[in-house]
Amino acid sequence: QITLKESGPTLVKPTQTLTLTCTFSGFSLSTSGVGVGWIRQPPGKALEWLALIYWNDDKRYSPSLKSRLTITKDTSKNQVVLTMTNMDPVDTATYYCAQEGGYGDPKFDYWGQGTLVTVSS
Amino acid sequence: QSVLTQPPSVSGAPGQRVTISCTGSSSNIGAGYDVHWYQQLPGTAPKLLIYGNSNRPSGVPDRFSGSKSGTSASLAITGLQAEDEADYYCQSYDSSLSGSPYVFGTGTKVTVL
Repeated sequence: QITLKESGPTLVKPTQTLTLTCTFSGFSLSTSGVGVGWIRQPPGKALEWLALIYWNDDKRYSPSLKSRLTITKDTSKNQVVLTMTNMDPVDTATYYCAQEGGYGDPKFDYWGQGTLVTVSS
Repeated sequence: QSVLTQPPSVSGAPGQRVTISCTGSSSNIGAGYDVHWYQQLPGTAPKLLIYGNSNRPSGVPDRFSGSKSGTSASLAITGLQAEDEADYYCQSYDSSLSGSPYVFGTGTKVTVL
């Protein structure tokens, strides 16, 4: 059974750095082809893909946010960490991590429950 | 910011058939990339509903079906049920060098009358 769960602060101040952790089970990020991504959803709005990391440490970022994002993995802990710098109120959203379908299969098979992050002073 | 366009809302009575369109461009759906659909029930995370244009993951009822043609795709729900009231998103891959490679639709709210 594959599960993912996001954790991190629920409230951050403008200009601060957000660090979110995705802890997963049921698969390994050391297995060839496996990827984990982050997607966010502002309240009442659509989904937006942010970043993705593969088993081989290949990393992909949204071009519009690339300068602010860093994605890393800790295979031994079954975790993927996303950091986003210089947070702004427009970054208020529910942040999801999800297992990607694998190299050449760009879909998201399993999702975490999401964590709502509010950016406010 | 969404690259794929969906109607904001569709509605139907129980038992009816509704369809949701997803319009892209030559750099995503029109380039031959697969379209996937997600169902987001109120207050929950998205769930993969249709993958590879028309395939259903295990456990998804066969009243959900997908298709793709040209630069567009469609999701159909036949025999609409109250539990189908949710937001639905399409997703594809985009080869544009300047944009995000993973693109989602604008989302469609399905209301069961």
